[in-house]
Amino acid sequence: GAGVSQSPSNKVTEKGKDVELRCDPISGHTALYWYRQRLGQGLEFLIYFQGNSAPDKSGLPSDRFSAERTGESVSTLTIQRTQQEDSAVYLCASSLDEVVTYGYTFGSGTRLTVV
Amino acid sequence: AQSVTQLDSQVPVFEEAPVELRCNYSSSVSVYLFWYVQYPNQGLQLLLKYLSGSTLVKGINGFEAEFNKSQTSFHLRKPSVHISDTAEYFCAVSPRDDKIIFGKGTRLHILP
Repeated sequence: GAGVSQSPSNKVTEKGKDVELRCDPISGHTALYWYRQRLGQGLEFLIYFQGNSAPDKSGLPSDRFSAERTGESVSTLTIQRTQQEDSAVYLCASSLDEVVTYGYTFGSGTRLTVV
Repeated sequence: AQSVTQLDSQVPVFEEAPVELRCNYSSSVSVYLFWYVQYPNQGLQLLLKYLSGSTLVKGINGFEAEFNKSQTSFHLRKPSVHISDTAEYFCAVSPRDDKIIFGKGTRLHILP
């Protein structure tokens, strides 16, 4: 597609439920990144994919968080047993390659609210 | 490890006045530097980037930034701001083969 697409754009869930967030990167972009942006905070790195492997998942905050990617396309970020502190905007970005000379192209994000 | 410090969380500026948003970074290796902008209710957009070469980098919407290696800074400037520049601005750094690390952001308020 023309840009990075994320769905849903907004998600309200009850504490303890599982949620799945989707990211569809730009076609041909091999690198894909997930970040989290809490209210009033900067972007917090979660995980990076090169193709369908994840060489860096150092930012995942707990084992409730997991992500996968199918080939060089769609990625899903799953949060199990959601907690209120998981409330944030989850941003996905893709890049032409892992050498960030082109910078990233970001999606509009998924705003997750855990009530 | 790399880190980015944006000293000002908010900067109020009168319309048509100049603005400078400060950014300092720390790194033991050569890095790429970026500024991203996030307009209200929108995703992040790349404003400009420094990869190598000239230390003065020009970006979109009249913004520019200067890479100062000795001071490890990459401040963003615009000579005359417009109401449409109201946004949050993020400075970011990346080692040349690794993920981008973002600062906490500076919210630019344009006063009429």
